[in-house]
Amino acid sequence: EAQVTQNPRYLITVTGKKLTVTCSQNMNHEYMSWYRQDPGLGLRQIYYSMNVEVTDKGDVPEGYKVSRKEKRNFPLILESPSPNQTSLYFCASSRKFDRVAGSYEQYFGPGTRLTVT
Amino acid sequence: SQQGEEDPQALSIQEGENATMNCSYKTSINNLQWYRQNSGRGLVHLILIRSNEREKHSGRLRVTLDTSKKSSSLLITASRAADTASYFCATDSSASKIIFGSGTRLSIRP
Repeated sequence: EAQVTQNPRYLITVTGKKLTVTCSQNMNHEYMSWYRQDPGLGLRQIYYSMNVEVTDKGDVPEGYKVSRKEKRNFPLILESPSPNQTSLYFCASSRKFDRVAGSYEQYFGPGTRLTVT
Repeated sequence: SQQGEEDPQALSIQEGENATMNCSYKTSINNLQWYRQNSGRGLVHLILIRSNEREKHSGRLRVTLDTSKKSSSLLITASRAADTASYFCATDSSASKIIFGSGTRLSIRP
């Protein structure tokens, strides 16, 4: 079954304790992305990756890191989480992002609800 | 910066009626997509319309795109209880970013 998986689904942590949220897709997609969703603000893109070893900042990258060492995995790293990073996080993937034709349909993971106290 | 903005923020209609949601954006785009989200769950892709298209249909969904007005609309015909969800538009830019609007919460009354 084609899918995007995220782990963990729920996480409560304390300020400053490094954490990683994993994301994996089994569709051989080139483009992967992390979003955070906060009430009234919709989804905001944190980082995206056009392909292996190619990552770039979205609109809200501060406080986050990513890596793309393999095509299927795109982990999100919070080196020193703070309470303002409490949010619902989504990973998504799509076939590619074409420089001329633009974006394609994105497939979303189930979300990770993070609480930082 | 938020590119897509949906209107209205919330919409409540009777089952069987049509629902129309609008999305406005600020800069030139390649494509515009619509997604649905059931409460707290992952988003599901509904339809993609490219900047050189004006209208697209998929089942009970009809999407229009007016690039001169930088706006799009999503029409759901003959609404059902299962259509209750939040709907988001998403636009892409030449910078390879994807920007979502804040969404429209649609409630279908039985």
